[in-house]
Amino acid sequence: QSALTQPASVSGSPGQSITISCTGTSSDVGSYNLVSWYQQHPGKAPKLMIYEGSKRPSGVSYRFSGSKSGNTASLTISGLQAEDEADYYCCSYAGSSTYVFGTGTKVTVL
Amino acid sequence: QVQLQESGPGLVKPSETLSLTCAVSGYSISSGNFWGWIRQPPGKGLEWIGSIYHSGITYYNASLKSRVTISVDTSKNQFSLRLSSVTAADTAVYYCARHGFSSGLYQFDYWGQGTLVTVSS
Repeated sequence: QSALTQPASVSGSPGQSITISCTGTSSDVGSYNLVSWYQQHPGKAPKLMIYEGSKRPSGVSYRFSGSKSGNTASLTISGLQAEDEADYYCCSYAGSSTYVFGTGTKVTVL
Repeated sequence: QVQLQESGPGLVKPSETLSLTCAVSGYSISSGNFWGWIRQPPGKGLEWIGSIYHSGITYYNASLKSRVTISVDTSKNQFSLRLSSVTAADTAVYYCARHGFSSGLYQFDYWGQGTLVTVSS
Protein backbone atom coordinates (compact mmCIF):
# COMPACT_ATOMS: atom_id res chain seq x y z
CA GLN A 1 0.00 0.00 0.00
CA SER A 2 1.28 3.43 -0.88
CA ALA A 3 0.58 6.41 1.31
CA LEU A 4 -2.34 8.59 0.30
CA THR A 5 -1.20 11.81 -1.37
CA GLN A 6 -1.74 15.14 0.38
CA PRO A 7 -0.30 18.58 -0.43
CA ALA A 8 2.74 19.28 1.72
CA SER A 9 1.40 22.62 2.83
CA VAL A 10 -1.69 24.82 2.69
CA SER A 11 -2.02 28.31 4.09
CA GLY A 12 -4.72 30.88 4.63
CA SER A 13 -5.53 34.06 6.48
CA PRO A 14 -7.72 34.15 9.57
CA GLY A 15 -11.38 33.84 8.65
CA GLN A 16 -10.70 32.27 5.28
CA SER A 17 -11.55 28.73 4.21
CA ILE A 18 -8.98 26.18 3.12
CA THR A 19 -9.31 22.69 1.68
CA ILE A 20 -6.86 19.83 2.02
CA SER A 21 -7.04 17.02 -0.52
CA CYS A 22 -6.25 13.37 0.05
CA THR A 23 -5.85 11.27 -3.07
CA GLY A 24 -5.82 7.51 -2.98
CA THR A 25 -6.87 4.74 -5.33
CA SER A 26 -9.89 2.65 -6.16
CA SER A 27 -8.61 0.14 -3.59
CA ASP A 28 -8.84 2.48 -0.63
CA VAL A 29 -10.43 5.94 -0.73
CA GLY A 30 -12.49 5.10 -3.81
CA SER A 31 -13.85 1.84 -2.45
CA TYR A 32 -14.91 2.84 1.03
CA ASN A 33 -16.55 5.84 2.68
CA LEU A 34 -14.18 5.31 5.60
CA VAL A 35 -11.77 8.21 5.47
CA SER A 36 -10.84 9.86 8.74
CA TRP A 37 -8.91 13.05 9.36
CA TYR A 38 -6.52 13.84 12.20
CA GLN A 39 -5.10 17.09 13.51
CA GLN A 40 -1.65 16.99 15.08
CA HIS A 41 -0.02 19.86 16.92
CA PRO A 42 3.77 19.73 17.45
CA GLY A 43 4.77 17.16 20.02
CA LYS A 44 1.21 15.97 20.50
CA ALA A 45 -0.74 12.87 19.57
CA PRO A 46 -3.10 13.04 16.58
CA LYS A 47 -6.68 14.05 17.32
CA LEU A 48 -9.67 12.69 15.39
CA MET A 49 -11.47 15.48 13.52
CA ILE A 50 -13.60 13.70 10.91
CA TYR A 51 -14.62 10.08 10.46
CA GLU A 52 -16.52 8.13 7.82
CA GLY A 53 -15.72 10.88 5.38
CA SER A 54 -17.89 13.64 6.80
CA LYS A 55 -18.91 12.93 10.39
CA ARG A 56 -17.63 15.05 13.26
CA PRO A 57 -16.94 13.55 16.68
CA SER A 58 -18.50 15.25 19.66
CA GLY A 59 -16.55 18.33 20.59
CA VAL A 60 -15.03 19.03 17.17
CA SER A 61 -15.87 22.44 15.76
CA TYR A 62 -18.48 22.70 12.99
CA ARG A 63 -15.80 24.64 11.06
CA PHE A 64 -14.31 21.30 10.08
CA SER A 65 -16.06 19.36 7.33
CA GLY A 66 -15.20 16.44 5.08
CA SER A 67 -16.25 15.16 1.70
CA LYS A 68 -15.24 12.69 -0.99
CA SER A 69 -15.35 12.46 -4.75
CA GLY A 70 -14.03 9.38 -6.47
CA ASN A 71 -10.57 8.54 -5.18
CA THR A 72 -10.09 11.90 -3.47
CA ALA A 73 -11.26 12.93 -0.02
CA SER A 74 -11.14 16.50 1.23
CA LEU A 75 -11.06 18.32 4.54
CA THR A 76 -12.31 21.90 4.63
CA ILE A 77 -11.60 24.27 7.47
CA SER A 78 -13.81 27.34 7.38
CA GLY A 79 -13.32 30.50 9.40
CA LEU A 80 -9.64 29.67 9.81
CA GLN A 81 -8.29 30.42 13.28
CA ALA A 82 -4.76 30.61 14.68
CA GLU A 83 -5.38 27.43 16.70
CA ASP A 84 -6.00 25.50 13.47
CA GLU A 85 -2.31 25.76 12.59
CA ALA A 86 -1.14 22.16 12.74
CA ASP A 87 -0.39 19.10 10.65
CA TYR A 88 -3.35 17.21 9.21
CA TYR A 89 -3.43 13.58 8.14
CA CYS A 90 -6.05 11.61 6.29
CA CYS A 91 -6.45 7.88 6.78
CA SER A 92 -8.45 5.38 4.77
CA TYR A 93 -9.58 1.83 5.37
CA ALA A 94 -7.86 -0.14 2.62
CA GLY A 95 -9.65 -3.46 2.80
CA SER A 96 -8.61 -6.77 4.38
CA SER A 97 -8.59 -5.07 7.80
CA THR A 98 -5.77 -2.69 6.91
CA TYR A 99 -5.29 1.07 6.92
CA VAL A 100 -3.26 3.58 4.96
CA PHE A 101 -2.42 7.12 6.09
CA GLY A 102 -1.83 10.20 4.01
CA THR A 103 1.50 11.98 3.63
CA GLY A 104 0.37 14.86 5.82
CA THR A 105 -0.31 18.56 5.25
CA LYS A 106 1.07 21.46 7.24
CA VAL A 107 -1.56 24.17 7.65
CA THR A 108 -0.22 27.67 8.23
CA VAL A 109 -2.39 30.55 9.37
CA LEU A 110 -0.93 33.71 7.88
CA GLN B 1 -12.63 8.39 29.95
CA VAL B 2 -10.59 6.03 27.80
CA GLN B 3 -6.85 6.50 28.30
CA LEU B 4 -3.93 4.75 26.66
CA GLN B 5 -0.31 4.90 27.82
CA GLU B 6 2.69 3.53 25.98
CA SER B 7 5.76 2.31 27.81
CA GLY B 8 9.05 0.65 26.96
CA PRO B 9 12.74 1.30 26.29
CA GLY B 10 13.54 4.54 24.53
CA LEU B 11 16.75 3.17 23.02
CA VAL B 12 17.18 -0.09 21.12
CA LYS B 13 20.31 -1.39 19.41
CA PRO B 14 20.31 -2.24 15.71
CA SER B 15 19.30 -5.85 14.93
CA GLU B 16 17.61 -6.20 18.32
CA THR B 17 13.88 -6.35 19.11
CA LEU B 18 11.80 -3.33 20.02
CA SER B 19 9.18 -4.04 22.69
CA LEU B 20 6.43 -1.68 23.80
CA THR B 21 3.31 -2.03 25.92
CA CYS B 22 0.11 -0.01 25.83
CA ALA B 23 -1.86 0.10 29.07
CA VAL B 24 -5.56 0.89 28.70
CA SER B 25 -7.56 2.50 31.49
CA GLY B 26 -11.16 3.62 31.79
CA TYR B 27 -12.30 0.96 29.31
CA SER B 28 -12.12 -2.81 29.10
CA ILE B 29 -9.88 -4.04 26.33
CA SER B 30 -12.35 -6.92 25.94
CA SER B 31 -15.27 -4.63 25.11
CA GLY B 32 -15.20 -5.23 21.40
CA ASN B 33 -12.80 -2.78 19.82
CA PHE B 34 -9.52 -3.37 18.07
CA TRP B 35 -6.31 -1.93 19.45
CA GLY B 36 -3.65 -0.65 17.11
CA TRP B 37 -0.07 0.55 16.84
CA ILE B 38 0.89 3.51 14.64
CA ARG B 39 4.32 5.05 14.28
CA GLN B 40 5.75 8.36 13.09
CA PRO B 41 9.44 8.80 12.19
CA PRO B 42 10.81 12.20 13.22
CA GLY B 43 9.51 14.89 10.88
CA LYS B 44 7.54 12.36 8.82
CA GLY B 45 4.03 11.00 8.47
CA LEU B 46 1.98 8.36 10.24
CA GLU B 47 2.19 4.65 9.44
CA TRP B 48 -0.23 1.99 10.63
CA ILE B 49 1.71 -1.00 12.00
CA GLY B 50 -1.02 -3.41 12.98
CA SER B 51 -3.96 -4.13 15.27
CA ILE B 52 -5.28 -6.77 17.64
CA TYR B 53 -8.66 -7.87 19.02
CA HIS B 54 -9.07 -9.12 22.59
CA SER B 55 -9.44 -12.65 21.25
CA GLY B 56 -5.96 -12.44 19.76
CA ILE B 57 -6.94 -11.86 16.14
CA THR B 58 -4.26 -9.73 14.52
CA TYR B 59 -3.86 -7.74 11.33
CA TYR B 60 -0.54 -6.30 10.17
CA ASN B 61 0.80 -3.84 7.64
CA ALA B 62 2.17 -6.02 4.85
CA SER B 63 5.38 -4.02 4.72
CA LEU B 64 6.19 -4.89 8.35
CA LYS B 65 4.43 -8.20 8.77
CA SER B 66 7.56 -10.36 8.76
CA ARG B 67 8.99 -8.45 11.75
CA VAL B 68 5.91 -7.55 13.80
CA THR B 69 4.09 -9.35 16.58
CA ILE B 70 1.21 -7.80 18.49
CA SER B 71 -0.17 -9.56 21.55
CA VAL B 72 -2.82 -8.85 24.17
CA ASP B 73 -3.09 -9.47 27.91
CA THR B 74 -6.72 -9.02 28.89
CA SER B 75 -5.97 -9.71 32.57
CA LYS B 76 -3.77 -6.61 32.65
CA ASN B 77 -5.92 -4.65 30.16
CA GLN B 78 -2.95 -4.04 27.92
CA PHE B 79 -1.50 -4.99 24.57
CA SER B 80 2.04 -5.11 23.27
CA LEU B 81 4.19 -4.61 20.19
CA ARG B 82 7.34 -6.45 19.25
CA LEU B 83 9.35 -5.40 16.20
CA SER B 84 12.37 -7.52 15.42
CA SER B 85 15.63 -6.85 13.56
CA VAL B 86 15.30 -3.10 13.95
CA THR B 87 17.36 -0.58 12.00
CA ALA B 88 17.69 3.19 12.16
CA ALA B 89 14.65 3.39 9.88
CA ASP B 90 12.53 2.11 12.77
CA THR B 91 13.35 5.18 14.86
CA ALA B 92 9.98 6.81 15.48
CA VAL B 93 7.36 7.91 17.93
CA TYR B 94 5.15 4.89 18.52
CA TYR B 95 1.47 5.45 19.32
CA CYS B 96 -1.20 3.04 20.45
CA ALA B 97 -4.83 3.75 19.59
CA ARG B 98 -8.35 2.32 19.73
CA HIS B 99 -10.45 1.56 16.67
CA GLY B 100 -12.71 -1.07 15.19
CA PHE B 101 -13.55 -2.90 12.01
CA SER B 102 -17.30 -2.43 12.04
CA SER B 103 -19.70 0.36 11.19
CA GLY B 104 -18.97 3.51 13.11
CA LEU B 105 -15.70 2.21 14.48
CA TYR B 106 -13.15 2.35 11.67
CA GLN B 107 -11.49 5.51 12.94
CA PHE B 108 -8.75 5.80 15.58
CA ASP B 109 -10.66 7.68 18.27
CA TYR B 110 -8.44 7.43 21.35
CA TRP B 111 -4.65 7.68 21.22
CA GLY B 112 -1.81 7.35 23.66
CA GLN B 113 0.62 10.25 24.06
CA GLY B 114 3.28 8.39 22.10
CA THR B 115 6.76 7.20 23.02
CA LEU B 116 9.96 7.89 21.11
CA VAL B 117 12.08 4.86 20.32
CA THR B 118 15.54 5.49 18.93
CA VAL B 119 17.50 2.73 17.23
CA SER B 120 21.19 3.33 17.75
CA SER B 121 24.26 1.51 18.97
